[in-house]
Amino acid sequence: GESVGLHLPTLSVQEGDNSIINCAYSNSASDYFIWYKQESGKGPQFIIDIRSNMDKRQGQRVTVLLNKTVKHLSLQIAATQPGDSAVYFCAEKPPTSGTYKYIFGTGTRLKVLA
Amino acid sequence: DSGVTQTPKHLITATGQRVTLRCSPRSGDLSVYWYQQSLDQGLQFLIQYYNGEERAKGNILERFSAQQFPDLHSELNLSSLELGDSALYFCASSAVQGNTIYFGEGSWLTVV
Repeated sequence: GESVGLHLPTLSVQEGDNSIINCAYSNSASDYFIWYKQESGKGPQFIIDIRSNMDKRQGQRVTVLLNKTVKHLSLQIAATQPGDSAVYFCAEKPPTSGTYKYIFGTGTRLKVLA
Repeated sequence: DSGVTQTPKHLITATGQRVTLRCSPRSGDLSVYWYQQSLDQGLQFLIQYYNGEERAKGNILERFSAQQFPDLHSELNLSSLELGDSALYFCASSAVQGNTIYFGEGSWLTVV
């Protein structure tokens, strides 16, 4: 079946450094992508999204890059802070007629080292 | 706070029992989704409702059922519970099909 995968299950970065979390998505026709952050015991929190007609989108300290050629999505976090420690999921939305199901990756755990 | 409310937050029940999880979507959102998240696994899509009607079905067991009421809140019913049903169950909502979905804090179900 289709799946969204993450290359690194755990990423450790020094506080203040930039973090890059990668995601390989499965459906070349997916037209919408979301990054979520999930802290322990909490629900996934929307971080940033991007549509397939874009290749880059910036938010506050975060940037999402989309490379449709290789079906790759990345989340860049600038000046990583201890509060950024969490599991990060990417999600893709395949185009379907009338209904849809987001496909989520298993997540990458980001650990921020003091 | 996403605006999606789920109750109960924690639930412990015995095998063979039945439970109901409740979700109130964000104000104005018509779509409700249910997901299951087991330990060390990603979010597994169960079912989606839009304005009271079932719109998409994922890997939802026959022992599970859901509905969305006229006031747009939704309930997920889990019956004949097994140990393997222990998981976090998330509800999410979105305003229009295809837009960003926002998650609640989840209901943690433990079957003993």
